[in-house]
Amino acid sequence: GENVEQHPSTLSVQEGDSAVIKCTYSDSASNYFPWYKQELGKGPQLIIDIRSNVGEKKDQRIAVTLNKTAKHFSLHITETQPEDSAVYFCAAHGDSGGYQKVTFGTGTKLQVIP
Amino acid sequence: KAGVTQTPRYLIKTRGQQVTLSCSPISGHRSVSWYQQTPGQGLQFLFEYFSETQRNKGNFPGRFSGRQFSNSRSEMNVSTLELGDSALYLCASSLDRVEKLFFGSGTQLSVL
Repeated sequence: GENVEQHPSTLSVQEGDSAVIKCTYSDSASNYFPWYKQELGKGPQLIIDIRSNVGEKKDQRIAVTLNKTAKHFSLHITETQPEDSAVYFCAAHGDSGGYQKVTFGTGTKLQVIP
Repeated sequence: KAGVTQTPRYLIKTRGQQVTLSCSPISGHRSVSWYQQTPGQGLQFLFEYFSETQRNKGNFPGRFSGRQFSNSRSEMNVSTLELGDSALYLCASSLDRVEKLFFGSGTQLSVL
């Protein structure tokens, strides 16, 4: 089955700096790659997503890049703010045998230091 | 627009009991999927329901089951609870596919 590795597990950055989180996946059939932000006591919230036919997508301070050949995708947050502090999860979705499969990364705890 | 509502917020059960969790999706969303979140295993996909039919499933034992009603509300049942079932159970809704998910705040289940 699909395996998604996420690095780093924890990340501390100064306010205003950039943060990068990386994920690699194993199944070349995966075709949809979302990123979720989870704050304490809440469910994950979709912040950005990308499909396999796109190499890069940006939404204000957040961007995602996808390298299909290398099977990895990354989340980039620029000009970080304290409210960006949360746990971030990547995921890989694919269709297999008529079923949709979704596999999540293990999460990255981001701390933005004011 | 109301978000995804999960009830109850917290549950404490003992081994061997069964439990039912409830999820009300966003209005107009027909797909409801369930996830188990634990510190050790992370977020894992349990199953997905669409139009009252289970359409996708993850690798969980048959003790985990669910259903969806005609109004898209969904319930998840875990029978013969084990200590290892202690987790945060999250429900998510989406329009039709298991994509662009909107998650509820979850039900924290503790099995003693």
